[in-house]
Amino acid sequence: QVQLVESGGGLVKPGGSLRLSCAASRFIFSDYYMSWIRQAPGKGLEWISYISGSGSTSYYAGSVKGRFTISRDSAKNSLYLQMNDLRAEDTAVYYCARDYGTNTWTFDYWGQGTLVTVSS
Amino acid sequence: DIQMTQSPSSLSASVGDRVTITCRASQSVNSYLNWYQHKPGKAPKLLIYAASSLRSGVPSRFSGSGSGTDFTLTISSLQPEDFATYYCQQSYSTPLTFGQGTKVEI
Repeated sequence: QVQLVESGGGLVKPGGSLRLSCAASRFIFSDYYMSWIRQAPGKGLEWISYISGSGSTSYYAGSVKGRFTISRDSAKNSLYLQMNDLRAEDTAVYYCARDYGTNTWTFDYWGQGTLVTVSS
Repeated sequence: DIQMTQSPSSLSASVGDRVTITCRASQSVNSYLNWYQHKPGKAPKLLIYAASSLRSGVPSRFSGSGSGTDFTLTISSLQPEDFATYYCQQSYSTPLTFGQGTKVEI
């Protein structure tokens, strides 16, 4: 069974940085596009970024563009999200998710999420 | 950006009820529409992809229909494990967007 496990969340002050990780297992990691999706408290789901299997292509939602960077390391079967200049509105549970196929933008497996709290 | 609007935002139902949730896109997404189930503290689960294709392993009481801008998720006979929040998501263009969710409760 595909497994995705996020880590790296925590409490950070406004303007601070945090790096999230997602450890993938039980599938050929480099074959799949991956995304980060978040859910703010009491709110719905918000897609924020995706990256191609090779890592050569990435895309960001406007709300995080210029502040967040998605990356991956196929040798470590890991996905990352570097978050800089964090704001209160970035407080959310962050999920990594696997694309169902090649760039289908359909998410067939998700992790259980890691909580990021931005507060002074 | 394509806006996705679900209705209702919440509903109360009983075990055995037929439940219908609708999702409307602000512009055509053809059949690039997915449905997810989300329970608190759990990973969201893909139920339906490409508007009407049932994901392998998902019970057949779940079905999806629609194309263009109007879509429906139907649960034919609600089971206790179906109480959750359901989201639609368009996979037609970036930024990928979700509906605001429909909470199905007792």
